[in-house]
Amino acid sequence: GAGVSQTPSNKVTEKGKYVELRCDPISGHTALYWYRQSLGQGPEFLIYFQGTGAADDSGLPNDRFFAVRPEGSVSTLKIQRTERGDSAVYLCASSLTGPQGIQANYGYTFGSGTRLTVV
Amino acid sequence: QKEVEQDPGPLSVPEGAIVSLNCTYSNSAFQYFMWYRQYSRKGPELLMYTYSSGNKEDGRFTAQVDKSSKYISLFIRDSQPSDSATYLCAMRSYSAGNMLTFGGGTRLMVKP
Repeated sequence: GAGVSQTPSNKVTEKGKYVELRCDPISGHTALYWYRQSLGQGPEFLIYFQGTGAADDSGLPNDRFFAVRPEGSVSTLKIQRTERGDSAVYLCASSLTGPQGIQANYGYTFGSGTRLTVV
Repeated sequence: QKEVEQDPGPLSVPEGAIVSLNCTYSNSAFQYFMWYRQYSRKGPELLMYTYSSGNKEDGRFTAQVDKSSKYISLFIRDSQPSDSATYLCAMRSYSAGNMLTFGGGTRLMVKP
């Protein structure tokens, strides 16, 4: 597609439930990123995929968070046993990469995010 | 203390004013510096990308990087109401690969 698509745009869930957030990157972008943005804050890194594999998952806050990208395109961020503190906007981005998997000389393209509210 | 600091604002200016937005950072390994614009309920949109120290100009926007002071700036000339948004600085080091570290964002309001 023309841009990064994220679904759903809004998700309200009850504390303790499981949620899945989907990201459809720009066609041909091999790198995919998940960030989390709390109200009034800048985005914080969660995980980065190069192709199908998670190249860096150091930003995942705990083992309730997991992400997959089985075919190297669409990615799903999964949150188990949601807590009220998980409420935030979850942003997905994609980019081209140059040699050695390092991001090429332009920034990411972000989607509009999924606004998750845990009640 | 956060690695990247940014005044949250809001910054309110009249239309046509010159706007100066700034970030300071603590990690001397940062080499790539970006400015993103984020409208309400939208994802960040890349405005400017600079490598190392120096200036870069693109239309009404000028980005400056002073690595010796660990200070970056974004200037907007002839500001327009459509420039009203949150401006985020972001940076990364070569060793960190593709991970960006963002500032908290400055909310700008340009009044007609």
